[in-house]
Amino acid sequence: GQQVMQIPQYQHVQEGEDFTTYCNSSTTLSNIQWYKQRPGGHPVFLIQLVKSGEVKKQKRLTFQFGEAKKNSSLHITATQTTDVGTYFCAGPGNAGNMLTFGGGTRLMVKP
Amino acid sequence: NAGVTQTPKFQVLKTGQSMTLQCAQDMNHEYMSWYRQDPGMGLRLIHYSVGAGITDQGEVPNGYNVSRSTTEDFPLRLLSAAPSQTSVYFCASSYNSGGNSPLHFGNGTRLTVT
Repeated sequence: GQQVMQIPQYQHVQEGEDFTTYCNSSTTLSNIQWYKQRPGGHPVFLIQLVKSGEVKKQKRLTFQFGEAKKNSSLHITATQTTDVGTYFCAGPGNAGNMLTFGGGTRLMVKP
Repeated sequence: NAGVTQTPKFQVLKTGQSMTLQCAQDMNHEYMSWYRQDPGMGLRLIHYSVGAGITDQGEVPNGYNVSRSTTEDFPLRLLSAAPSQTSVYFCASSYNSGGNSPLHFGNGTRLTVT
């Protein structure tokens, strides 16, 4: 079945440093979604990418969808303590009726 | 709108007990799903529904039952709880097929089976 892998699993950064998490799928995706989960909270939708090579920005967050639509990345510029949490990518399963999540990248920011 | 509401927030069960986790949404979403989250395992799909009267299995369905009698409600039943079912359970809904629309998550139910 379709698998979505994320790296790294954990990342410690000093406040102000940049952060990137990478997502790779075993199959071509029609779209990819990114979610953020704060500690003790629930996943919250951030963005959806649909087009090959698409780049979208949300303030300090930059999302990219690979040309082959099999990989994606989330880059945070100048991290802040409010960025702490786990970031998940997710893509449609084989039947398109379900969303398969990557294992997530847990970001910890030292003030 | 309340969004997706899950109850209870916390539950402790003994092995062999049964219980139902409740999930309701007021956004008129067709698609609803249940995920479990375990440390280091991300979110794994248990069951999902693309509309009232229709349910299907996800990645880890064993030990769980679901039904979808109305658009709003999607309860998850544990038939005979096992320690391996200790987890955080999230219900999520979306406007249409879960693979192409953003998911809205409930606050989760933290379940411990002793």
